[in-house]
Amino acid sequence: QKEVEQNSGPLSVPEGAIASLNCTYSDRVSQSFFWYRQYSGKSPELIMSIYSNGDKEDGRFTAQLNKASQYVSLLIRDSQPSDSATYLCAVPPNTGNQFYFGTGTSLTVIP
Amino acid sequence: KAGVTQTPRYLIKTRGQQVTLSCSPISGHRSVSWYQQTPGQGLQFLFEYFSETQRNKGNFPGRFSGRQFSNSRSEMNVSTLELGDSALYLCASSFDPSGTTKQYFGPGTRLTVT
Repeated sequence: QKEVEQNSGPLSVPEGAIASLNCTYSDRVSQSFFWYRQYSGKSPELIMSIYSNGDKEDGRFTAQLNKASQYVSLLIRDSQPSDSATYLCAVPPNTGNQFYFGTGTSLTVIP
Repeated sequence: KAGVTQTPRYLIKTRGQQVTLSCSPISGHRSVSWYQQTPGQGLQFLFEYFSETQRNKGNFPGRFSGRQFSNSRSEMNVSTLELGDSALYLCASSFDPSGTTKQYFGPGTRLTVT
């Protein structure tokens, strides 16, 4: 079983809509969760981190964590064409920085 | 504060050669991790260094090695290059190796093996 799984997409949403990206993980003791955005040809950029159950909002981005279901999601409100990228979910083990990355979800925001 | 820097940005090598990639972490960050990214496998963890010690190693052959210097700069080396080693090699730095601190990626080194 893969450590982190994401729907690879591609996911297409119209401009202004809400994009919903999902991630499940297998390590029950994981304590922190990260979302990265990667534009084509560029390196991953950290956009959100979440450590506790519930929601965490940062501008147009909301991360949601449910540890019981081993599920973390990223919502992008008022999606913009500039949000078009691949979004990677990352889950480190209980100790150490050996991050496990999902394969990423490709998002396209259609103007 | 300057970000993570990696050199060189692009590299073309032939099979059988070896290559050394360099990474300078964000000032104050002492943990450096290396990842390989390919279209088929995604981001795969190579190894992590903290205080000049390798703390974790991913599932890669011994041809892949690394080290960290006292100023936290890190290098990774790949010997006897194979075509399958063509990838984007990413370095990420974080303040400590706790797994809860954020990792920040450098721009990567694009390695092409012919």
